[in-house]
Amino acid sequence: NAGVMQNPRHLVRRRGQEARLRCSPMKGHSHVYWYRQLPEEGLKFMVYLQKENIIDESGMPKERFSAEFPKEGPSILRIQQVVRGDSAAYFCASSRDVYEQYFGPGTRLTVT
Amino acid sequence: AQSVTQLGSHVSVSEGALVLLRCNYSSSVPPYLFWYVQYPNQGLQLLLKYTTGATLVKGINGFEAEFKKSETSFHLTKPSAHMSDAAEYFCAVKGVQGAQKLVFGQGTRLTINP
Repeated sequence: NAGVMQNPRHLVRRRGQEARLRCSPMKGHSHVYWYRQLPEEGLKFMVYLQKENIIDESGMPKERFSAEFPKEGPSILRIQQVVRGDSAAYFCASSRDVYEQYFGPGTRLTVT
Repeated sequence: AQSVTQLGSHVSVSEGALVLLRCNYSSSVPPYLFWYVQYPNQGLQLLLKYTTGATLVKGINGFEAEFKKSETSFHLTKPSAHMSDAAEYFCAVKGVQGAQKLVFGQGTRLTINP
C-alpha cells in the first residue's frame, strides 16, 4: 500500500516563474492537506481539501498561491510568480478520517 | 484556537539515557495530540497519538507520551536513547471538532551522544 506521494522531490525556479507541486494521497484517503516548512521552523498549515472542494484555506497567502484536488488525479499546489521567500519544503498529508494524517516526503522548492 | 509550545529547540542526551521532550498545548476544545518524527530531508512519521481513552499512549520505537489535562502537557519519553533516535520531533494538536488542520510546535532537535 503506497504512501503519500509527492513530486517533484526537488524543484528549482527562478524568480517570477510558476511552481506546481503534486500530491497523490494514500489509497482510500479523501482528505488532503498542504503544509509549509520554512528553514528552522515547524510546519504551518496552508490548505485542506476534499475532492473538488476547498474546505479550509485559512493558511494560504492571499496572492499567488492556489490549490486544487480534482475528481481525478493528484492534488496540485500552485505558486505563481515565485519569490525568494517561497523557498521552503512543502508537505502534503492525507487522511481517511479525523485522526491520523500521513505525510509525504515533501517537495523542496528553491527560488533563485 | 490551538497552539503548541515545545520547550527546548535542541536537546542532547547520551546513548542509553532517558529522553524527555516537552510539549504544552493550548486548546479551546478537547484536543487530539500527536508526536511526529522527521529525519533529515524526509517527511514526517507519526510516532504516537492521543485521541480518547488511556492517557498514557505508546508509540513506535519505544516512545511513549502521557496526556495530562491539568497541566496541558503531552511530553514524549523514551527510557533509553539509541543513536538512531537522532532526529527532529514535532508535537501537534488538533481540535476534536471543527478544523481538521494540525497545529505544530516549533520542533525539538534531538542529538544522541555516544
